[in-house]
Amino acid sequence: DAGVIQSPRHEVTEMGQEVTLRCKPISGHNSLFWYRQTMMRGLELLIYFNNNVPIDDSGMPEDRFSAKMPNASFSTLKIQPSEPRDSAVYFCASSLGQYNQPQHFGDGTRLSIL
Amino acid sequence: GENVEQHPSTLSVQEGDSAVIKCTYSDSASNYFPWYKQELGKRPQLIIDIRSNVGEKKDQRIAVTLNKTAKHFSLHITETQPEDSAVYFCAAGGGSYIPTFGRGTSLIVHP
Repeated sequence: DAGVIQSPRHEVTEMGQEVTLRCKPISGHNSLFWYRQTMMRGLELLIYFNNNVPIDDSGMPEDRFSAKMPNASFSTLKIQPSEPRDSAVYFCASSLGQYNQPQHFGDGTRLSIL
Repeated sequence: GENVEQHPSTLSVQEGDSAVIKCTYSDSASNYFPWYKQELGKRPQLIIDIRSNVGEKKDQRIAVTLNKTAKHFSLHITETQPEDSAVYFCAAGGGSYIPTFGRGTSLIVHP
């Protein structure tokens, strides 16, 4: 199994630009999670999907952030417009169930907004 | 929702010593308690998990204990090695909540 695949691994862009992060979950997993990790705030849950449906987006910082899961094998997290405070490592994770199954993390996207 | 507190935030030990990281949770309905290890620059990876029908689980040098009455669980690492140096996260979930993560413990093992 290839594991959770995220792209790009690194992204450097100027503030105001649109950023799109991509995630391919493990085949057969029905739950997908987006996290943001910073030194100050630790590992924050942004949004999660179950069976491609967004269940809880209360962690999304503001309207500049949006996430979609058009099918079981692909999800995107979009930031528009981006700001320097969005700089962080963004992880995608997937699991077989939303409540009590291990989450498998991707390698993350290190995002730097200049 | 669930609230998970993790202590200490930093733990420094000598190689060969034991390390203990403790977490408390708030929702008595939580029934799944995973632990993740994150090495510098890498992704979090599951190292061990325990469910509420079990009080203790071991895997080689690591063990996790669960006290449901007190609502706390702990990670124990024996005979620590430099490669154990990492950030460790606990989480609590199940019931009707997805796992909520603690803030993490930075473990430093000095050779």
